[in-house]
Amino acid sequence: IAGITQAPTSQILAAGRRMTLRCTQDMRHNAMYWYRQDLGLGLRLIHYSNTAGTTGKGEVPDGYSVSRANTDDFPLTLASAVPSQTSVYFCASSDSKGRRDQPQHFGDGTRLSIL
Amino acid sequence: AQKITQTQPGMFVQEKEAVTLDCTYDTSDQSYGLFWYKQPSSGEMIFLIYQGSYDEQNATEGRYSLNFQKARKSANLVISASQLGDSAMYFCAMREGRGDMRFGAGTRLTVKP
Repeated sequence: IAGITQAPTSQILAAGRRMTLRCTQDMRHNAMYWYRQDLGLGLRLIHYSNTAGTTGKGEVPDGYSVSRANTDDFPLTLASAVPSQTSVYFCASSDSKGRRDQPQHFGDGTRLSIL
Repeated sequence: AQKITQTQPGMFVQEKEAVTLDCTYDTSDQSYGLFWYKQPSSGEMIFLIYQGSYDEQNATEGRYSLNFQKARKSANLVISASQLGDSAMYFCAMREGRGDMRFGAGTRLTVKP
């Protein structure tokens, strides 16, 4: 079944550790996104990529980095995790970021707890 | 400033009844898109319905319809004939032009048997 795969499903991490959340899509979508979901705040955009080889900052990019070496993969890295990064992280994709009518398709999320 | 406002943190509806989930938005753009997503307790985000700012007709998808009132900047989701499986968090979202998608804080809907 076509879609977005995120790994791991959940993770408990010590503060200060480095962590990479993986995201792979098989829909050949050009645009990909990373969001964090926090209670009462909805989803907030961390970083995005319009196409392979390009990335951009969203609303809450500090403490996170991304790369887009190819169309399918869009990993999110926390270089030195802090407790405020405890959240549920969603990866999403759409055919084009420039099309306002394009819905985004989401992975199942990664629940990350920083202790 | 908050772009998307969902004023109902929680809503209850009796099974088989209709329910309206409120969403208001703030934009000065003429071109924008409005989306509703459903998040069941299992956690995944499911796209439900889309309304474009230039669309003259209200969007409908099965039991979902979007009550779009452009002058009031509201895009309320109407679910007809509620089912127990409709119990979930519902998020309203907007994309202005080529901008980022912004989400509201969500409304938790509980359908009572």
